[in-house]
Amino acid sequence: AQSVTQLDSQVPVFEEAPVELRCNYSSSVSVYLFWYVQYPNQGLQLLLKYLSGSTLVKGINGFEAEFNKSQTSFHLRKPSVHISDTAEYFCAVRGYSGSARQLTFGSGTQLTVLP
Amino acid sequence: NAGVTQTPKFQVLKTGQSMTLQCAQDMNHNSMYWYRQDPGMGLRLIYYSASEGTTDKGEVPNGYNVSRLNKREFSLRLESAAPSQTSVYFCASVWGLAENTEAFFGQGTRLTVV
Repeated sequence: AQSVTQLDSQVPVFEEAPVELRCNYSSSVSVYLFWYVQYPNQGLQLLLKYLSGSTLVKGINGFEAEFNKSQTSFHLRKPSVHISDTAEYFCAVRGYSGSARQLTFGSGTQLTVLP
Repeated sequence: NAGVTQTPKFQVLKTGQSMTLQCAQDMNHNSMYWYRQDPGMGLRLIYYSASEGTTDKGEVPNGYNVSRLNKREFSLRLESAAPSQTSVYFCASVWGLAENTEAFFGQGTRLTVV
């Protein structure tokens, strides 16, 4: 079984400030890691993913995330946020094999960018 | 190229009624998923289908059934709707593993059971 914990349900931040959204996971097998974004009344779209290799991955809209295996974390960062980044962000994991191939999501973090 | 299409977009049911949510993808993906999204709980997996002809229970399968009709279509059925099933339902599809493991989502079905 695998699980994902997003440590903050709400993150308010002022425009042009940096932001970090935290994600920790647990799994008995190796996993792929993802961040998805959901804008109001829409489905989810992929921001970035970690499959293997370099632990720092870059995604769309200036976001990046760092995989830390020892801390089982995959935190999302952006150095300077815009009003348009206001959305809900979901961390997710998917195992390599068996039932762990389920795509498991965290509970989400609502990012609100204030003017 | 439509991606993942869900129908209907909105539905109101009375307690005890039945309905089927439809999902179709045109990307030739192998795996398909049904999730429900509730405030503060993220997306919870109801059922998934790793490949055509197979289905497996997820985290919250009670009260639901699924059919993987063919490679394109994966339907979710509520046999006797309950107010606790009021939620937003998302269908997703994935091509496979490794580099092709990104999930694509439909726009969601907003279901209210009264």
